[in-house]
Amino acid sequence: DAGVTQSPTHLIKTRGQHVTLRCSPISGHKSVSWYQQVLGQGPQFIFQYYEKEERGRGNFPDRFSARQFPNYSSELNVNALLLGDSALYLCASSSLRQAHGYTFGSGTRLTVV
Amino acid sequence: QKEVEQNSGPLSVPEGAIASLNCTYSDRGSQSFFWYRQYSGKSPELIMFIYSNGDKEDGRFTAQLNKASQYVSLLIRDSQPSDSATYLCAVMNYGGSQGNLIFGKGTKLSVKP
Repeated sequence: DAGVTQSPTHLIKTRGQHVTLRCSPISGHKSVSWYQQVLGQGPQFIFQYYEKEERGRGNFPDRFSARQFPNYSSELNVNALLLGDSALYLCASSSLRQAHGYTFGSGTRLTVV
Repeated sequence: QKEVEQNSGPLSVPEGAIASLNCTYSDRGSQSFFWYRQYSGKSPELIMFIYSNGDKEDGRFTAQLNKASQYVSLLIRDSQPSDSATYLCAVMNYGGSQGNLIFGKGTKLSVKP
């Protein structure tokens, strides 16, 4: 079985630009969550989607948005990029109420210059 | 603000020794606890989860939970150089959503041959 897949793997953007990150969950998983991990910190929760509806949002500005598609894949969009948005963006999927924790994808390394 | 605290380390142990990693959490109502291992440049990988007070063993790993003290720990027996990584403690937060993880900053473990 394929795990959680994310694309692209690496990305370099300029301040003020927009970026779209993509995630495909494990087959059969209906919940997708996004986390941001800045160097030296633990991952921070950004969004959660379940059955194509937003079910949770972390403390991030409105420049961050996401959506989930009918096939349960997801996109994370970040507008007006700042240098501080440079981080590893992690997608996680789960089938049930996360009783056994999340499975993370390999992440997208975003560098804003 | 729900928080998870970990000693950032680095924690250095000789090969074959027991490594002890500690974590405290602020929300007394927390029920689910997770340990993730993260190699440099990689995404977090779930190694243990625990819900009940006491010990839970899986191979060389033992998770310990004390809800009264709001304390969770991870013991790694017979530590190997391949165990060198950052260990992230996480607590599941069910506040109004499907559940999201609150992570500590991680403890960097170095196992010396």
